Amino acid sequence: EAGVAQSPRYKIIEKRQSVAFWCNPISGHATLYWYQQILGQGPKLLIQFQNNGVVDDSQLPKDRFSAERLKGVDSTLKIQPAKLEDSAVYLCASSFGLGSGAVETQYFGPGTRLLVL
Amino acid sequence: GESVGLHLPTLSVQEGDNSIINCAYSNSASDYFIWYKQESGKGPQFIIDIRSNMDKRQGQRVTVLLNKTVKHLSLQIAATQPGDSAVYFCAETGRTGRRALTFGSGTRLQVQP
Repeated sequence: EAGVAQSPRYKIIEKRQSVAFWCNPISGHATLYWYQQILGQGPKLLIQFQNNGVVDDSQLPKDRFSAERLKGVDSTLKIQPAKLEDSAVYLCASSFGLGSGAVETQYFGPGTRLLVL
Repeated sequence: GESVGLHLPTLSVQEGDNSIINCAYSNSASDYFIWYKQESGKGPQFIIDIRSNMDKRQGQRVTVLLNKTVKHLSLQIAATQPGDSAVYFCAETGRTGRRALTFGSGTRLQVQP
C-alpha cells in the first residue's frame, strides 16, 4: 500500500514570496491533516479535512495560509506572503475517516521542508 | 492552554539496554494517547497507542504505560537497537470531537553501540 505522498520535499523562498505544497493521502482515506513542525518542536495542526470539507482550521493563520481539497482526495496548502517564521517542515497526514469522532491512526508523509530567507 | 510535554529532551542508552521515555500531559479530557517515532528527514511513524480505559499496552519490544492519576505516559523499549535512534513524540487527543493530535516537543533517543 502506498503511503502519503508530498511534494516538493524541499523549498527555499524569500520572504513575501508565495509557495504551495501538495499532498496525496493514502488511497481511501477520507480525513486529511496538515501540520506545521518547527525545528525542535512537535507537529502542530494547521487544518483538518473530512473529504472536501474543513473540520478544523482554528489554528490556521488565515491571513496568509490557505488550503483546499476540492475533490476530496489530494490537497494543496499555500502560503502567501511567506514570513521568516514560516520556516518549518509541513507534514501531511491521513486517516481512514469514519466520520463519527472515532479515534483513528494517522499516517504521515515525509514532509516538505520550507526555508524562508 | 492544555499541553502535552516531555520530561527529557535527550536520552542516551547503550545498545541492548531498555529505554524509558516519559511524557506528561495536562488535559484531563485526553482519552487517547499515541507514541510516534520520527527519524531525521522523515515524517512521524506510528509506534503504539493506548486508550484512557487502559493502563498498559504491549507491542513488539515496546510497552506503553498510562497513569491517569498523575497524567503521565511512558514508552518502554526493550533491548534497544541502533535503529531505535530517533526523536519520539507523545501525542494526545481529547473528547472534544476534534480528532487531530496535540503533540509534545519530543525526546531524542541516542543508542550507543
